[in-house]
Amino acid sequence: DGGITQSPKYLFRKEGQNVTLSCEQNLNHDAMYWYRQDPGQGLRLIYYSQIVNDFQKGDIAEGYSVSREKKESFPLTVTSAQKNPTAFYLCASSIHRERGELFFGEGSRLTVL
Amino acid sequence: QKEVEQDPGPLSVPEGAIVSLNCTYSNSAFQYFMWYRQYSRKGPELLMYTYSSGNKEDGRFTAQVDKSSKYISLFIRDSQPSDSATYLCAMRDSGGSNYKLTFGKGTLLTVNP
Repeated sequence: DGGITQSPKYLFRKEGQNVTLSCEQNLNHDAMYWYRQDPGQGLRLIYYSQIVNDFQKGDIAEGYSVSREKKESFPLTVTSAQKNPTAFYLCASSIHRERGELFFGEGSRLTVL
Repeated sequence: QKEVEQDPGPLSVPEGAIVSLNCTYSNSAFQYFMWYRQYSRKGPELLMYTYSSGNKEDGRFTAQVDKSSKYISLFIRDSQPSDSATYLCAMRDSGGSNYKLTFGKGTLLTVNP
């Protein structure tokens, strides 16, 4: 079955540590996205990539980094520079066409201790 | 004024009730409108997709878009306990290569048996 796989589902990190969240898709979608979801704040865009080896900052990119070396993969690194990293992180993909609807993974819950 | 406003609820209804969920928006360039359903600790899933103004029906769900009022709605008929989830509206314009969606903050719905 086609879909988006995020791992790990739950992650705990000590302050000052970097952590990388994995996102893999087998939908053959061109575009991939990372969102952060906090209670009462809705979904906020961190980074997005429309093609391999290219990505753009979203609304809250500070303290995060990404890479897009393969069409199927779009990992997100939460660096120690991110001041409030505890959140639910969602990866999504879309066909790079007019409609633009997103297909989401199951999410990764990051807790900083 | 925020680009997209959505009543966060929570909304609690008895089983079998008709539910109305709404979003207002300020950007008149929005052309594509979506509703996502998100169960607790899961990723959002696309429920309805509408282009421009009008109605779209899918089973118990009806999406309405009124671009003149900048108002979209999702109606759920004969609501079921399995409909208990957070509902997110999302929208985007058709300009250029920007495929970013703008999300509402979500409405938490509980359907009581």
